[in-house]
Amino acid sequence: GAGVSQSPSNKVTEKGKDVELRCDPISGHTALYWYRQSLGQGLEFLIYFQGNSAPDKSGLPSDRFSAERTGGSVSTLTIQRTQQEDSAVYLCASSNYRVSNYGYTFGSGTRLTVV
Amino acid sequence: DQQVKQNSPSLSVQEGRISILNCDYTNSMFDYFLWYKKYPAEGPTFLISISSIKDKNEDGRFTVFLNKSAKHLSLHIVPSQPGDSAVYFCAATYGSSNTGKLIFGQGTTLQVKP
Repeated sequence: GAGVSQSPSNKVTEKGKDVELRCDPISGHTALYWYRQSLGQGLEFLIYFQGNSAPDKSGLPSDRFSAERTGGSVSTLTIQRTQQEDSAVYLCASSNYRVSNYGYTFGSGTRLTVV
Repeated sequence: DQQVKQNSPSLSVQEGRISILNCDYTNSMFDYFLWYKKYPAEGPTFLISISSIKDKNEDGRFTVFLNKSAKHLSLHIVPSQPGDSAVYFCAATYGSSNTGKLIFGQGTTLQVKP
């Protein structure tokens, strides 16, 4: 597609439920990143994929968080047993360039609210 | 441990004047710095970057200055326009990094008044 697509755009879930967030990167982009932005905070790195592999998972806040990428394309971020502190905007980005020069292309994000 | 800090949560300037957004970092290993702009309900968009071997990079109305000794960078917007009203994030990375992971600041909300 023309840009990075994320779905759903908004998700309200009850505490303790599992949620899945989807990211469709720009076609051909090999690098994919997940970030989250909590209220009043900056963008917090979660995980990086190169192809289907995740060489850097250092930002995942707990073992309730997991992510996968298939076919070098679509990625899914799963949060199990959601907690209220998981409420945030979850952003996905992709890149096929030298990131330091050109940065990533971000999607519009999924706003997750845990009630 | 906040490695990239934007200490001003907000800034308000008059249309046509200069906007200066500041960013400080603590890790001397960072060698590339980027600025992103974010409108409400949209993802951040890349604005401009600078390598640590430079002290200035210009792109139209946007100029980024880097002071390595002070571990400080700033984004200048001249002249400011109402459409520039957005949240601005600075970010840093290691150019030699295999991951391209960016470390972001907390953001500064810029309001340009007509």
